[in-house]
Amino acid sequence: NAGVMQNPRHLVRRRGQEARLRCSPMKGHSHVYWYRQLPEEGLKFMVYLQKENIIDESGMPKERFSAEFPKEGPSILRIQQVVRGDSAAYFCASSPQSGVETQYFGPGTRLLVL
Amino acid sequence: KQEVTQIPAALSVPEGENLVLNCSFTDSAIYNLQWFRQDPGKGLTSLLLIQSSQREQTSGRLNASLDKSSGRSTLYIAASQPGDSATYLCAVIKDSGGSNYKLTFGKGTLLTVNP
Repeated sequence: NAGVMQNPRHLVRRRGQEARLRCSPMKGHSHVYWYRQLPEEGLKFMVYLQKENIIDESGMPKERFSAEFPKEGPSILRIQQVVRGDSAAYFCASSPQSGVETQYFGPGTRLLVL
Repeated sequence: KQEVTQIPAALSVPEGENLVLNCSFTDSAIYNLQWFRQDPGKGLTSLLLIQSSQREQTSGRLNASLDKSSGRSTLYIAASQPGDSATYLCAVIKDSGGSNYKLTFGKGTLLTVNP
């Protein structure tokens, strides 16, 4: 059973471009969480999704950020018109049943905005 | 709002030493507490998970304790090895009574074990 996969592992964007981060949960997992780790900061919750539903997006910036987890395919975290402050490591985690099992983390996508 | 604090922020010890990492949280209404390890440029590896009704969990040289009422947890590492060098993160899940189990993390303790 492959672990949580994230791609790309590293992403470089210029200010104003769009960034698309992908997360493929472990097989059989239907819950996905996205977290962001800013330089010198701890990981912060961004959004929690189940298949086709956003359950909690209280940690998402109100503008430019969106997330989805379609019925088929990976979860996508999309950042429009990136700014330098978006440079961070973005981690996703999946679980089969929320809270019953440990969340399994992917290796992260490191976004650098020039 | 739940806040998680980890002390110390960094720790350097000689190989073989026993050590304790501390974690405190402000809201004792937690569902569980987890300790993770993060290696530079890598993802997170779960080390130990303690349910709110438990007092401690052990895995090999690691032992984690939980005092929910006082909002504290400790991670004890016995006979430390250079391979233990990493950032150790403490995280809690709030017992919200719902299905949202987002993790609230501390900033971590950077551990260096010197040969």
